[in-house]
Amino acid sequence: QQQVKQSPQSLIVQKGGISIINCAYENTAFDYFPWYQQFPGKGPALLIAIRPDVSEKKEGRFTISFNKSAKQFSLHIMDSQPGDSATYFCAARIGNSGYSTLTFGKGTMLLVSP
Amino acid sequence: DGGITQSPKYLFRKEGQNVTLSCEQNLNHDAMYWYRQDPGQGLRLIYYSQIVNDFQKGDIAEGYSVSREKKESFPLTVTSAQKNPTAFYLCASARGGPLHFGNGTRLTVT
Repeated sequence: QQQVKQSPQSLIVQKGGISIINCAYENTAFDYFPWYQQFPGKGPALLIAIRPDVSEKKEGRFTISFNKSAKQFSLHIMDSQPGDSATYFCAARIGNSGYSTLTFGKGTMLLVSP
Repeated sequence: DGGITQSPKYLFRKEGQNVTLSCEQNLNHDAMYWYRQDPGQGLRLIYYSQIVNDFQKGDIAEGYSVSREKKESFPLTVTSAQKNPTAFYLCASARGGPLHFGNGTRLTVT
């Protein structure tokens, strides 16, 4: 049973536009929600993460919006650039500890056209 | 530079053979993980280890085995019992914080 549902599966955005990727979760025990960015042939790298006690977190052009009541969170990439073209994974974990396991969404392949 | 080294980058094997994927980290992380990535399937947890000489099954452990004899090393063996072994395998580590991933090994079994 998939516990983190991610959409869309793929996304094409023009340079300068806003990229939006959505995730929904079922397990209310999740309390740490990271986003990972993966370039072809590389391992994923942490992009930004949020705890459910805040509704939004911004780091540069990347923003996580979190809706605890709806059990949804999303990644917004402002002023999208061709270098942002990558696969993005949302994830969820019980506890903000490296000793618990992450459950990943299926990923979104983002292409930013020049 | 500290990091996670997975080797080899590409690996080819014949069906019916066991194969071992290497994962070494010099980050002094206690926990290590193996994930499998298939197109459109995300990352699925195979095995993880929180301490030397101890490990737990993840969601898709069948057909795989691991060992954790040293803190720095967490090799994964893909056995002949794994029905669909062709995939991209990712190793990760952590110590009370976010996961750090290696750059993966792409295994092709024919």
